Parts: sequence; C-alpha cells; structure tokens
Amino acid sequence: GAVVSQHPSWVICKSGTSVKIECRSLDFQATTMFWYRQFPKQSLMLMATSNEGSKATYEQGVEKDKFLINHASLTLSTLTVTSAHPEDSSFYICSASPAVTDTQYFGPGTRLTVL
Amino acid sequence: KQEVTQIPAALSVPEGENLVLNCSFTDSAIYNLQWFRQDPGKGLTSLLLIQSSQREQTSGRLNASLDKSSGRSTLYIAASQPGDSATYLCVANAGKSTFGDGTTLTVKP
Repeated sequence: GAVVSQHPSWVICKSGTSVKIECRSLDFQATTMFWYRQFPKQSLMLMATSNEGSKATYEQGVEKDKFLINHASLTLSTLTVTSAHPEDSSFYICSASPAVTDTQYFGPGTRLTVL
Repeated sequence: KQEVTQIPAALSVPEGENLVLNCSFTDSAIYNLQWFRQDPGKGLTSLLLIQSSQREQTSGRLNASLDKSSGRSTLYIAASQPGDSATYLCVANAGKSTFGDGTTLTVKP
C-alpha cells in the first residue's frame, strides 16, 4: 500500500524557535495533503489543506502566519511552526491521497514539545 | 460541516467478549469511511476502509459496516483480546477527513 512518511518523528525545542516538519508521499503523487494536530486526550483536528503549487487553505482558528505550509512538489509538504510556544506542543499528523476519492494515507506523526 | 460522533466514549470488557463500536456522521456525501486504532502516544494504524458504495469490510476478527443513508458505521470486534486495548477512531473522508473523538477500549484479561 501507499506510504506517507514524516520527519522528524519527535522534536523538542525552546520557546521562540521555529520547527519544520516534513511530510512525504513515498510511492505516489499527491496534489493535496492535509495537516492535523492532536492535543492530549483529544481527537485529531484538521489544521489546513496543503495544495501543490498554491497557497494552503487554513481551517477557522488556525493562524496561517504561525503555521507556514509549503507544498513544494507532488510528494512533499512542509509545516513550519514559527516562534513556537509551549501551547503549540502537540502531535502533528499529515495525510495524503493519490486521488480525492481514494483512501487517505496518514503519516506516523510528529510529536512536538516546546519547552 | 461534517460532524462525526462515536459512542461509547469508553468501553471496558472482559477478554473473549464480542463488542460493537458505533460511529455516526451528519453528511452522507462521503467518499469512504475508515476505522483506525491509536495506541497511547502513537500514530494511527489503519484497520478497515469502506468505500461509499460498499456495505461492509472484514479483516480477521474485525468487521466494519456502513449505512450511508442513515449516516452510521459500526466496528465489530470478535473474541476481544487484551492486545485490542486502544482508542478506535472513525474517520469520514470527503476530500478532507473528519475524525470522531474515538472510543477507548480496555479489554481485561
């Protein structure tokens, strides 16, 4: 089956620094990828839709200037958490699909801890 | 806006029991519905995918059903084992995915 990878799998950073998370579709091309986050004991919430070659679409309440998304190619999307704060500590997961009607393949997730 | 609800929020059963997890969604215009399990602190493990044109899917001791018209899906787990203890998530896919809050299952030895 299709594989989506994320890097890094976990990261610890100091408050005020920026962190970049990569999401790659390893064996298929994806014009659209999605970014989710999960706070402890809560379900996953969609943050934004990443579109190859165009600007990302953010869900209500998600700051686009804080969570920068770049979909540089059909196999790579990056999420940069800028000026991270402890409240940004969360589990971030991406997903991608070869086609909009196909199954979503989820990455293994990145656990971010901001000290 | 799609809303996905899972009932119950938590379930505890003795080993060997059969059980059913319920999922309901408000917008039936979905491409497919997926069931995942998530272990504490871990990512998602895909269990079953049901396309919108299908009624059910089976994998081992797991059986998932889908009734699009009523906006419901169920995950049936037969002969539960302690290793089945996890949080089970129902996800409605319509381009972007909407997650339920999950059912946390504990299977006691």
